[in-house]
Amino acid sequence: GESVGLHLPTLSVQEGDNSIINCAYSNSASDYFIWYKQESGKGPQFIIDIRSNMDKRQGQRVTVLLNKTVKHLSLQIAATQPGDSAVYFCAERVSNTGNQFYFGTGTSLTVIP
Amino acid sequence: EAQVTQNPRYLITVTGKKLTVTCSQNMNHEYMSWYRQDPGLGLRQIYYSMNVEVTDKGDVPEGYKVSRKEKRNFPLILESPSPNQTSLYFCASREISANVLTFGAGSRLTVL
Repeated sequence: GESVGLHLPTLSVQEGDNSIINCAYSNSASDYFIWYKQESGKGPQFIIDIRSNMDKRQGQRVTVLLNKTVKHLSLQIAATQPGDSAVYFCAERVSNTGNQFYFGTGTSLTVIP
Repeated sequence: EAQVTQNPRYLITVTGKKLTVTCSQNMNHEYMSWYRQDPGLGLRQIYYSMNVEVTDKGDVPEGYKVSRKEKRNFPLILESPSPNQTSLYFCASREISANVLTFGAGSRLTVL
């Protein structure tokens, strides 16, 4: 499988602070990336995506940054809330594998009230 | 409500006793897939299906079977479960032209 990893397995932040979750990928043929959020006892849910021809994409309270030079993407969550506590993981689509996705191991975010 | 439904959500079984985890989606998605999630390993693809009667192996297909007789259903079959198949399993689906997967809530399987 492809190597999609995360720098930190756990992250704790104070409520109201900004959170940054990082993801490294290894395949230059990756052309599309998705961030998923997985709450306890639930399946992963889509948060935001970005194509490789973009550097930045913003959603509601979330921003994804893509640095193709160093094969790194990050998820920034503004004004983190208790409901943001979950495991976050990135997924990369490798264009020369029939558009299959490969998933990272995840970072567990804990928001401290 | 658009969703992917898996059953059972929790199952404890013994080595060698055949079991099936069902997966059904109500979104008319062509693509369906099974993943297993293990600590420190993330989601790994077991099998996927691009449409009815079309299935392909993912990264970890050994010990599993699937079928896609109907568009909405994609059952995962463990003919002879072993303890190393103890895991959290997710079914997911999407439109064939889309990228974002809709996941089920997961099925936690323990094989003793």
